[in-house]
Amino acid sequence: NAGVTQTPKFQVLKTGQSMTLQCAQDMNHNSMYWYRQDPGMGLRLIYYSASEGTTDKGEVPNGYNVSRLNKREFSLRLESAAPSQTSVYFCASRTGTGSYGYTFGSGTRLTVV
Amino acid sequence: GDSVTQMEGPVTLSEEACLTINCTYTATGYPSLFWYVQYPGEGLQLLLKATKADDKGSNKGFEATYRKETTSFHLEKGSVQVSDSAVYFCALSGGNFNKFYFGSGTKLNVKP
Repeated sequence: NAGVTQTPKFQVLKTGQSMTLQCAQDMNHNSMYWYRQDPGMGLRLIYYSASEGTTDKGEVPNGYNVSRLNKREFSLRLESAAPSQTSVYFCASRTGTGSYGYTFGSGTRLTVV
Repeated sequence: GDSVTQMEGPVTLSEEACLTINCTYTATGYPSLFWYVQYPGEGLQLLLKATKADDKGSNKGFEATYRKETTSFHLEKGSVQVSDSAVYFCALSGGNFNKFYFGSGTKLNVKP
């Protein structure tokens, strides 16, 4: 099915470990986004990529890096995980501007112990 | 800057009750407005949208009207079902086309 695919779905890390969250979309969307969702905080934008070859910081970029590998793929890397990064991470994509909505992946639930 | 404010939850209703979840926004220019729904353990799904003033978005029995004069986009449903239990997010796409602004979400619990 067309959409946004995130891997893995669940992950437990120890403090200081690194990992990469993968995201791929097959809808030929230009823009891709990484959000984190925490209880009582709603969704917060970590990084986004308006088009292939560009990335920009969002609201909460500290502790993360991203790579827009090609038009389909946008990965999120935690270089040295901290307990404060325990969250549910969502990747999203969209085409065009303004009136176009996001398509979200199903999320990665990350726990840092 | 742009922002969205929605009513806090949780909202608990009995099946077949009427639902209203309030959403107001602050934006420059003419934003597009959205409602997303998140079922337990899943990602957000677009429920409905409206792209200009007085537009009404509708889907699955839910409706919301873009009211520029009151800067509101309230979500309504005449008769809720247990299957509507979820978290609902109001969102805005404004002047910076690369970003959405989400409300904090409203959890709806529908009891049989």
